[in-house]
Amino acid sequence: NAGVTQTPKFRVLKTGQSMTLLCAQDMNHEYMYWYRQDPGMGLRLIHYSVGEGTTAKGEVPDGYNVSRLKKQNFLLGLESAAPSQTSVYFCASTRPAGWYTEAFFGQGTRLTVV
Amino acid sequence: AQSVTQPDIHITVSEGASLELRCNYSYGATPYLFWYVQSPGQGLQLLLKYFSGDTLVQGIKGFEAEFKRSQSSFNLRKPSVHWSDAAEYFCAVGAGGTSYGKLTFGQGTILTVHP
Repeated sequence: NAGVTQTPKFRVLKTGQSMTLLCAQDMNHEYMYWYRQDPGMGLRLIHYSVGEGTTAKGEVPDGYNVSRLKKQNFLLGLESAAPSQTSVYFCASTRPAGWYTEAFFGQGTRLTVV
Repeated sequence: AQSVTQPDIHITVSEGASLELRCNYSYGATPYLFWYVQSPGQGLQLLLKYFSGDTLVQGIKGFEAEFKRSQSSFNLRKPSVHWSDAAEYFCAVGAGGTSYGKLTFGQGTILTVHP
């Protein structure tokens, strides 16, 4: 099993450009999440999904959109990138309540907006 | 709202010395508690977790943590540090139910190990 796979691993964008980060998991997990990691701030939740076709805002959702068209995939979109979105982005997945164990993380996407 | 505080931003220890990383949390109910480790340029690896039961939990790589409800703490310990333990460590709190497994992370503690 690959677990949680993020694509791409690195990307440089110009201000105003758009891009989509892809997260794929092969563990049949219901819940998926997007976090961003910034120095000295730990990881902060951007958006999450509790099932196919559902999404919800996390702690820092502004400037991002998400979609969960298939259970195994969770996409994070930046419509108009800003330098403040320079960060490392992590996707994670877990099983639902009652079966909850821990979150499994991807390897991260390092995004630089210039 | 839940929160996690890791008071130490950076800790330096000598190889072979003991280690304790501090974590304090704020949460209304019984939390799920985690310690993750991140090596440079890598993702997060779970060291250990506490859901219920025995308050002293054992993890991978010789780490352990103790849940102290009265102190709202979940400190990570290792009796003898190895150079390969140099990394950044994150404490996190989560919950099931209507929290849907969302995690709140501490700011992280960077561990440097001197030979």
